Amino acid sequence: QVQLVESGGGLVKPGGSLRLSCAASGFTFSNYYMSWIRQAPGKALEWVSYIGRGGGTKHYADSVRGRFTISRDNAALYLQMNSLRVEDTAVYYCAGYSGYDPYDAFDIWGRGTMVTVSS
Amino acid sequence: QLVLTQSPSASASLGASVKLTCTLSSGHSNYAIAWHQHQPEKGPRYLMKVNSNGFQMKGDGIPERFSGSSSGAERYLTISGLQSDDEGDYYCQTWGTGIVVFGGGTKLTVL
Repeated sequence: QVQLVESGGGLVKPGGSLRLSCAASGFTFSNYYMSWIRQAPGKALEWVSYIGRGGGTKHYADSVRGRFTISRDNAALYLQMNSLRVEDTAVYYCAGYSGYDPYDAFDIWGRGTMVTVSS
Repeated sequence: QLVLTQSPSASASLGASVKLTCTLSSGHSNYAIAWHQHQPEKGPRYLMKVNSNGFQMKGDGIPERFSGSSSGAERYLTISGLQSDDEGDYYCQTWGTGIVVFGGGTKLTVL
């Protein structure tokens, strides 16, 4: 079964850190370009970060650049989140696609993990 | 600046059809977009990709009653034979080098 499963969410104080994971199964993960996307309560989806298939190309939204780091290995995607702010509170989803182009429509999504930043 | 604009809400009766619109910002009318369905307590679900020519590429298992089209800077998602299970939020997505953009989403209510 093709799936992505996120984990690592939880409650953390402002200024704290958290590491999210996204485990892939049922498909060849190394063929996929991957991203993290988040949804704050009552808000729209917001793209957070992108990593190429080989892990060498990375992009970040302005809102997280310098605080978040995306990485991957053969079977999972990660998001290291440092200096967390209240406004980072959201459900975090991993998503990806396996097309020829490095930038394309997400065709596989995870179910998400909740991150709450609060004192 | 690459921006996608969607109406916040839409509604239609059970069994009817509804057409959702996603508008690309000025200068970006040739971009392809993707439509995703997002229901409570679920991860988003990829529906299809629609390019500027109206060509659509559907995700696996997406019913034929979901279809996409284009006109100028507008991209459309039409759902026919509405079912109660179609209720949810619908997002359009586009992309460029180093950037991914989502629209604000349209909340669909099936009456």
